[in-house]
Amino acid sequence: DIVMTQSPLSLPVTPGEPASISCRSSQSLLRSDGNNYLAWYLQKPGQSPQLLIYWGSNRASGVPDRFSGSGSGTDFTLKISRVEAGDFGVYYCMQGQQDPWTFGQGTKVEIK
Amino acid sequence: EVQLVESGGGLVQPGGSLRLSCAVSGFTFSSHWMSWVRQAPGKGLERVATIKGDGSEECYLDSVKGRLTISRDNAKNSLYLQMNSLRAEDTALYYCARHGTWALDFWGQGSLVTVSS
Repeated sequence: DIVMTQSPLSLPVTPGEPASISCRSSQSLLRSDGNNYLAWYLQKPGQSPQLLIYWGSNRASGVPDRFSGSGSGTDFTLKISRVEAGDFGVYYCMQGQQDPWTFGQGTKVEIK
Repeated sequence: EVQLVESGGGLVQPGGSLRLSCAVSGFTFSSHWMSWVRQAPGKGLERVATIKGDGSEECYLDSVKGRLTISRDNAKNSLYLQMNSLRAEDTALYYCARHGTWALDFWGQGSLVTVSS
């Protein structure tokens, strides 16, 4: 199985400041179609996960442009340019390159 | 508006059975792969089963093969998860989720399954 490793696991952030989360996979997520099968999700407290980014860098519908995804192969990054109150929660990366799809451990972004 | 509403969760004894349902609306159900994803209390996410739009293909997490069965009724816009021979480690909040381009783009609010004597 592909192992997804996120860092850090906890990220205290002051509202208005930027934040960055790393996700590394044990195998390349780049397919022959040129896409990286890597997605990012945010799970707010008491809610289900919501899709932020797919194919490593494509924002899902309705996702603000302060969220950006980058990377290719095995190294990926989610950046939030200015963290807002509604951005706090647990962020997960997920790979869809190979079955079984696997998730990272989660990064808890909390108010500093 | 896309909506997914799970039901059928509850408390069941080890070895018992349960059937989860997910009623969907707001999109053409038969055009989308669907999955069940679970989250044990205080833990991360785990995709347990997936089914193609026409129901012709299924895949499962190894640890649930032979015990959990995913199915769908496109005429009723409903997704199901039949859970047999349940174990304590199956205790989790079970989400149904829609596949978009490939990623899971809409999720329900979840149905809690507790396996305990």
